[in-house]
Amino acid sequence: DAGVIQSPRHEVTEMGQEVTLRCKPISGHNSLFWYRQTMMRGLELLIYFNNNVPIDDSGMPEDRFSAKMPNASFSTLKIQPSEPRDSAVYFCASSGTSGGYNEQFFGPGTRLTVL
Amino acid sequence: GNSVTQMEGPVTLSEEAFLTINCTYTATGYPSLFWYVQYPGEGLQLLLKATKADDKGSNKGFEATYRKETTSFHLEKGSVQVSDSAVYFCALKTGGSYIPTFGRGTSLIVHP
Repeated sequence: DAGVIQSPRHEVTEMGQEVTLRCKPISGHNSLFWYRQTMMRGLELLIYFNNNVPIDDSGMPEDRFSAKMPNASFSTLKIQPSEPRDSAVYFCASSGTSGGYNEQFFGPGTRLTVL
Repeated sequence: GNSVTQMEGPVTLSEEAFLTINCTYTATGYPSLFWYVQYPGEGLQLLLKATKADDKGSNKGFEATYRKETTSFHLEKGSVQVSDSAVYFCALKTGGSYIPTFGRGTSLIVHP
């Protein structure tokens, strides 16, 4: 099992540019989560999908952030336009059973730096 | 709502010392409890879990017991190694919620 796959692992961009982060969850998992981690704010949940449908996006900071899950094996998180305060590590995680007691499986993260 | 409180770090220990990281929680409903570990430059990974009161989760020498009466799930290890240096997150999940609740994490630094 390859685990959760994220790309790119590192992204450096300039303020105002569009950034797209990608995630491939573990095959068979039907729940997908996007998190952001910073020293100041810790681990924050941005959005949660169940069966490819966004269920809770209350953690998305503002309209500059958007997420999609066009199929069970792929999700994107887009920031447009990016700002320096978006610099963080972004994690994707998947889980096997929504509403159950299963643990989450995290990807290795994408370290985003916005100059 | 649900919440998890962890002791603030960093916790700094010498190799072979005894480790305790405290975790307490509040939950609506009957939660499952988890400890995740994040090594430098990596994502979180499950360390251990317990799904009902008095259960003990264990893995890699770490243990935690689900204490319903004190709403706690403290992480312990008898003899830490330098390789245990990481950030440890306590978390809970209730059956009625799709989303787990994480603590803020406790950094552990182990010196040789």
